[in-house]
Amino acid sequence: QVQLQESGPGLVKPSETLSLTCTVSGASLRTYNWTWIRQPAGKGLEWIGRSSTGGTTDYNSSLKSRLTMSVDTSKNQFSLRLRSVTAADTAVYYCVVGYVALDYWGQGMPVIVSS
Amino acid sequence: DIVMTQSPLSLPVTPGEPASVSCRSSQSLLHSDGYNYLHWYLQKPGQSPQLLIYLGSYRASGVPDRFSGSGSGTDFTLKISRVEAEDVGNYYCMQALQGPYTFGGGTKVDIK
Repeated sequence: QVQLQESGPGLVKPSETLSLTCTVSGASLRTYNWTWIRQPAGKGLEWIGRSSTGGTTDYNSSLKSRLTMSVDTSKNQFSLRLRSVTAADTAVYYCVVGYVALDYWGQGMPVIVSS
Repeated sequence: DIVMTQSPLSLPVTPGEPASVSCRSSQSLLHSDGYNYLHWYLQKPGQSPQLLIYLGSYRASGVPDRFSGSGSGTDFTLKISRVEAEDVGNYYCMQALQGPYTFGGGTKVDIK
């Protein structure tokens, strides 16, 4: 079955860069679209960005200037880099893959931005 | 960006009774291919979200048939024909017609 696992530091200092990686098993990133979602504690879901198998990449308008997403199909991993973080970036970060919709979700990676 | 608005914010339900959640988009989600690019997700307490309904009305694999999605254009509804205790959680709609994709604010369903 398809499984996703987020990894990375759970604590990031303000103004630094948040870096997360998602490792996928049971599905190839050559055939699935991949997406990052985040959720601040007690709040709703926020779509961060996605990349499609067709090569299209879309970013959340409010994060676009600080965001880089990339994929390594040889390792079946995709990554997120968010620069110049603040406390407002504290959230659980989910990696997700799917065809038409967000079909398979990781368990979520809590990230705290604090000095 | 397309704005997604859900209602109600909170929905107390009685087991065995029906329930419905509404989702409205600021632009039509009807694609030229004839599909509405509107999906529904359920996040049960302490869990990752899961896909319930895709393209407006298609149940995802393994989703019980008491869940149904309807609507077109800018107005959509998720219905639960008979609520069960395991259906509690936060329900979200999401538009996938054009990037950036956007979620509704969520509807919290709990048992009365």
